[in-house]
Amino acid sequence: GAGVSQSPRYKVAKRGQDVALRCDPISGHVSLFWYQQALGQGPEFLTYFQNEAQLDKSGLPSDRFFAERPEGSVSTLKIQRTQQEDSAVYLCASSLVGGRLTHYEQYFGPGTRLTVT
Amino acid sequence: KNQVEQSPQSLIILEGKNCTLQCNYTVSPFSNLRWYKQDTGRGPVSLTIMTFSENTKSNGRYTATLDADTKQSSLHITASQLSDSASYICVVATDSWGKFQFGAGTQVVVTP
Repeated sequence: GAGVSQSPRYKVAKRGQDVALRCDPISGHVSLFWYQQALGQGPEFLTYFQNEAQLDKSGLPSDRFFAERPEGSVSTLKIQRTQQEDSAVYLCASSLVGGRLTHYEQYFGPGTRLTVT
Repeated sequence: KNQVEQSPQSLIILEGKNCTLQCNYTVSPFSNLRWYKQDTGRGPVSLTIMTFSENTKSNGRYTATLDADTKQSSLHITASQLSDSASYICVVATDSWGKFQFGAGTQVVVTP
């Protein structure tokens, strides 16, 4: 596809349910990021992959959050036993190159809005 | 405490007028600063990226400035259009594994 896609676009979960959010990055992009965006706030970093390697997961708020990118392309963010405070928009972004330098462009998907009731 | 502070939180401007958004940061070490435009229900879209040595960068009617000494940046919108209504987010990157610090954004509403 031409851009980063995410699915589902909207997800309503009952407290305690597990959810899985999918991100399809731009084909060939090495780096993939997950962000959490609360209403009226800027995105906050969750985790970063370079190909299939998860190089930074320091932003994951608890051990209920788990992300994977097994083949270095599609990524899934899983939230177990969802809580109301997990309600947010989850954004995925990808970029062509990887590494420590951060001068490269990031392309964002439209996000998944998760509502936990 | 958020290391990227934006002001104002929101503003309303008339179509055709100019406006300037501010961003102050304390992120260190500094690698680059970006401005993003985020339409409602969409992901952020990059407007400009500036490194330490760049003082100004333009993208059409958008002009960003950077003062790395005072750790301040601004985004100037010239001759605003209705399509400029969006949230504008300032983002500061460090030399880390792609970690970025986002501001809370300035919500801009352009009215006819």
